[in-house]
Amino acid sequence: EAQLVESGGGLVQPGGSLRLSCAASGFAFSDCSMNWVRQTPGKRLEWISYINSRSDTIFYADSVKGRFTISRDNAKNSLYLQMNSLRDEDTAFYYCARGLEWGDGYFDYWGQGTLVSVSS
Amino acid sequence: EIVLTQSPATLSLSPGERATLSCRASQNVDNYLAWYQQKPGQAPRLLIYDASYRATGIPGRFSGSGSGTDFTLTISSLEPEDFALYYCQQRKNRQTFGQGTKLEIK
Repeated sequence: EAQLVESGGGLVQPGGSLRLSCAASGFAFSDCSMNWVRQTPGKRLEWISYINSRSDTIFYADSVKGRFTISRDNAKNSLYLQMNSLRDEDTAFYYCARGLEWGDGYFDYWGQGTLVSVSS
Repeated sequence: EIVLTQSPATLSLSPGERATLSCRASQNVDNYLAWYQQKPGQAPRLLIYDASYRATGIPGRFSGSGSGTDFTLTISSLEPEDFALYYCQQRKNRQTFGQGTKLEIK
């Protein structure tokens, strides 16, 4: 069974940085595209970043472009999100999610999420 | 950005009843639409993709329909575990989600 476990969330001041990690197991991580999706305290879901299996195709939502960087290490079965210049509105649960193999752009496995709180 | 509008915001029904949830897109998304279920304290779970295909392990009481801008998720006979939040999501142009429909016990 596929499993995704996020870590690295926490409380940070506006303008600060955090690095999230997502450890994958139970599937061929190196063959799969991966994403970060966040959910605000009001329960709104927002896709924020995509990376394909070879790391040669990357997309970002406009809301995080230039501030967040997605990356992966297939040897370590791990996905990362470097978050810089954090803002209050970045407060959310952050999920890593696997792209559906036959429907890239849908998310068939999700982690349990890690909470990022941006506040002074 | 493609905006997805879900209705109703809250749906109150009893176990055994039929549930019909709607999702309307601000522009054509063809059939590139998915539905997710989220229970308290859990991550979303993929139910339906490409408007009408059930994801692996999803019970047959869940079905999806529609194309273009209007989509429907139907739960034919509600089980107690179906009361949850439901989201639609499109992948036609980047990915966006609807604001959700809360399915609650009447």
